[in-house]
Amino acid sequence: GAVVSQHPSWVICKSGTSVKIECRSLDFQATTMFWYRQFPKQSLMLMATSNEGSKATYEQGVEKDKFLINHASLTLSTLTVTSAHPEDSSFYICSARDPTGTGGHQPQHFGDGTRLSIL
Amino acid sequence: AQSVSQHNHHVILSEAASLELGCNYSYGGTVNLFWYVQYPGQHLQLLLKYFSGDPLVKGIKGFEAEFIKSKFSFNLRKPSVQWSDTAEYFCAVNTHSGNTPLVFGKGTRLSVIA
Repeated sequence: GAVVSQHPSWVICKSGTSVKIECRSLDFQATTMFWYRQFPKQSLMLMATSNEGSKATYEQGVEKDKFLINHASLTLSTLTVTSAHPEDSSFYICSARDPTGTGGHQPQHFGDGTRLSIL
Repeated sequence: AQSVSQHNHHVILSEAASLELGCNYSYGGTVNLFWYVQYPGQHLQLLLKYFSGDPLVKGIKGFEAEFIKSKFSFNLRKPSVQWSDTAEYFCAVNTHSGNTPLVFGKGTRLSVIA
């Protein structure tokens, strides 16, 4: 079945570092990908919608200069957490919308997530 | 905009007990409904989904959910839980076209004790 690969799965870095997370759709082309953030014991919150070839759409309260999203190809979207601080520590999950879905529905497939820990 | 409400924050059951987790959504139009499970330390997995047709949906691992349109509900059920069902369960919704991102409920933690 459709697979979304997210890399890295876990990263630990010092405060002030920028971290890039990759989200790849492995067997379908995804014009749209979504980035979510999950705090411990909480639900997934949508951060932004990533559209291939155009600017990402950010949810209210998400700093676009802090969380840079690039969707340069139909199979890859990247999220860069710039100048990360401890409060950015979280679990980041991407999903990719599969345009080949049947019945007019385009299912979303989730990556395994990236656990980001900022010291 | 859609929103999802899961009423139970933490449910504790003994093995073989029956399970029902509540999920209500708010949206004026037609929606797709999902239940995801997240086992400790693992990624989200789709349990079941409803797009249209029979409102009683059967998923993996013996789970089922019933869509009751008049109540805007999509409760998850399992007749007899096992210890391995211990996990976090998330209800989610998006618009029927599937073109919008999923909106998740806050999740319900299920603990099954022997």
